[in-house]
Amino acid sequence: DIQMTQSPSSLSASVGDRVTITCQASQDINNYLNWYQQKPGKAPKLLISDASNLETGVPSRFSGSGSGTDFTFTISSLQTEDIATYYCQHYYNLPYTFGQGTKLEIK
Amino acid sequence: EVQLVQSGAEVKKPGESLKISCKGSGYDFSIYWIAWVRQMPGKGLEWMGIIYPGDSDTRYRPSFQGQVTISTDKSISTAYLHWSSLKASDTAMYYCARGTLTVTGTFDYWGQGTLVTVSS
Repeated sequence: DIQMTQSPSSLSASVGDRVTITCQASQDINNYLNWYQQKPGKAPKLLISDASNLETGVPSRFSGSGSGTDFTFTISSLQTEDIATYYCQHYYNLPYTFGQGTKLEIK
Repeated sequence: EVQLVQSGAEVKKPGESLKISCKGSGYDFSIYWIAWVRQMPGKGLEWMGIIYPGDSDTRYRPSFQGQVTISTDKSISTAYLHWSSLKASDTAMYYCARGTLTVTGTFDYWGQGTLVTVSS
């Protein structure tokens, strides 16, 4: 199975800060990577597909980049409504695997 | 509007059987893969398996093979997750999610989740 390693596992930042989360795959997955946001008590929501494709309706402060084994998820200016846990997920082959999650909190 | 609506919370005893459901609406249910994802209390997301309602082609994560059964009834646009004998370790929130038309492993719509509690 392909392992997905996210860092950090938790992050505290201030409103307006630039926030970056990284995700590393245990092997080359091309750009077959998605990012999801999960708010407390809610189902996950797809934010970014194919490593960098912003889903319709998702604010432009969210972005993703990377290819191969190393990927980055960025919030350019943190808002209070961005408090959530963020997960990367590969779909290169089966079984699909999620990263362990990054819990984002407001400082 | 695309929706996936899951059945309600369940409280069961170890050894009991259970089938939870996920009903799709607002799209052609038979041509989109449906995945099941487990989230144990306070933990991350774990992909369990996926089914194509059109022909019931099913794939499992090896660790779930033989532990659960994924099925579908396309005539009523519903997917199921079934346990024949629950364990306490099956206590978790279970989500169904729809794969996109072009990428099976990209989940664009999710159900609201079904909380399964297994306790004696």
